[in-house]
Amino acid sequence: GENVEQHPSTLSVQEGDSAVIKCTYSDSASNYFPWYKQELGKGPQLIIDIRSNVGEKKDQRIAVTLNKTAKHFSLHITETQPEDSAVYFCAASIRAAGRRALTFGSGTRLQVQP
Amino acid sequence: GAVVSQHPSRVICKSGTSVKIECRSLDFQATTMFWYRQFPKQSLMLMATSNEGSKATYEQGVEKDKFLINHASLTLSTLTVTSAHPEDSSFYICSARDGSGGANEQFFGPGTRLTVL
Repeated sequence: GENVEQHPSTLSVQEGDSAVIKCTYSDSASNYFPWYKQELGKGPQLIIDIRSNVGEKKDQRIAVTLNKTAKHFSLHITETQPEDSAVYFCAASIRAAGRRALTFGSGTRLQVQP
Repeated sequence: GAVVSQHPSRVICKSGTSVKIECRSLDFQATTMFWYRQFPKQSLMLMATSNEGSKATYEQGVEKDKFLINHASLTLSTLTVTSAHPEDSSFYICSARDGSGGANEQFFGPGTRLTVL
């Protein structure tokens, strides 16, 4: 099955700096890579996603890059703000028996210091 | 965006009792719903996948007789934790996939925190 590894586990940055979170996946058949933000006691919220036919996608201060050859993808947050503090999860999805199940990374706890 | 609700948000029960958690897609029809469990400071672990009108598919190691899943309609799935024990205490999260257009996106509910005494 798919295995997703995520680094770093914790990340502390100063407000205004950039933050980068990296993930690798094992199954070359994976074709959908979402990123989720989870605040304490809440469910994950989709913040950006990318499909395997695209190398980069940007939405305001958030961008995701995908390198299919190396099987890794990254989340980039620019001009970080204290409200960006949360746990971020990457995930990979493969259509297996029509289920499109997500395999999650282990999460990165981002702390933005004001 | 698509909204998924869960009820209850928090439940405390005695050991040996059963607890039902509801997951609803509010503004779209969810052909597939997923149930995850998350322990403190850990990632989400997929428990089972449920398709409307058919039996759920459980991940390896998840007891289907303990975690009963029913997906009776395109907007509602339920997870029943039977004969709950303290080790079942966890954060249970559902997600729903919009079946239209072949989209991959999963939208998550706010989660249900289960505490078994």
